[in-house]
Amino acid sequence: AQTVTQSQPEMSVQEAETVTLSCTYDTSESDYYLFWYKQPPSRQMILVIRQEAYKQQNATENRFSVNFQKAAKSFSLKISDSQLGDAAMYFCAYRSARMSGGSNYKLTFGKGTLLTVNP
Amino acid sequence: DAGVTQSPTHLIKTRGQQVTLRCSPKSGHDTVSWYQQALGQGPQFIFQYYEEEERQRGNFPDRFSGHQFPNYSSELNVNALLLGDSALYLCASSFFGASYEQYFGPGTRLTVT
Repeated sequence: AQTVTQSQPEMSVQEAETVTLSCTYDTSESDYYLFWYKQPPSRQMILVIRQEAYKQQNATENRFSVNFQKAAKSFSLKISDSQLGDAAMYFCAYRSARMSGGSNYKLTFGKGTLLTVNP
Repeated sequence: DAGVTQSPTHLIKTRGQQVTLRCSPKSGHDTVSWYQQALGQGPQFIFQYYEEEERQRGNFPDRFSGHQFPNYSSELNVNALLLGDSALYLCASSFFGASYEQYFGPGTRLTVT
């Protein structure tokens, strides 16, 4: 079974600064997807960024980028130019690319990192 | 374009009772997944429905069951409620042919007393 570990329960950053959230995962599979989701107090889970394991290039979405180290099974999220609206719980998630029962939609989440942005 | 909607928003039940939670997927989506998120934890996968069948299931007891209707909406049923079932229940929808993104609803907060 796959596991996802987020070792930082809480992080804080000053507005306009850069912060990096850590995530490690354990899997015996070679093909999978990794995601970072944001959950603000409104509770709605929002996809921030995704990475396909077969791609060596790190994904980037505007101010959000990842450092994907497949051999180390590490997947960190970097938020540049932090904004007050970035304050939320951030979850790292794993999804297998292998079909199980004709489906592969199961996301395995870490416990999350609460990000505070200080003005 | 309505996103994923869930009802009710909040629910309070007593131990031993049964509860039904509802989810309407985003327009154009045909696949629904359910997750349980206990306080301070990440969501845990309960099961996923496609073509009105349960296709994938997480490590949850048979007290948790579901259904998908022809219009792709879905229900999550929990029988014989336990205090430990208190959680935020999230529904996520996607289009079966598109593997990447699942859109989440705002969730239903269930409290069991």
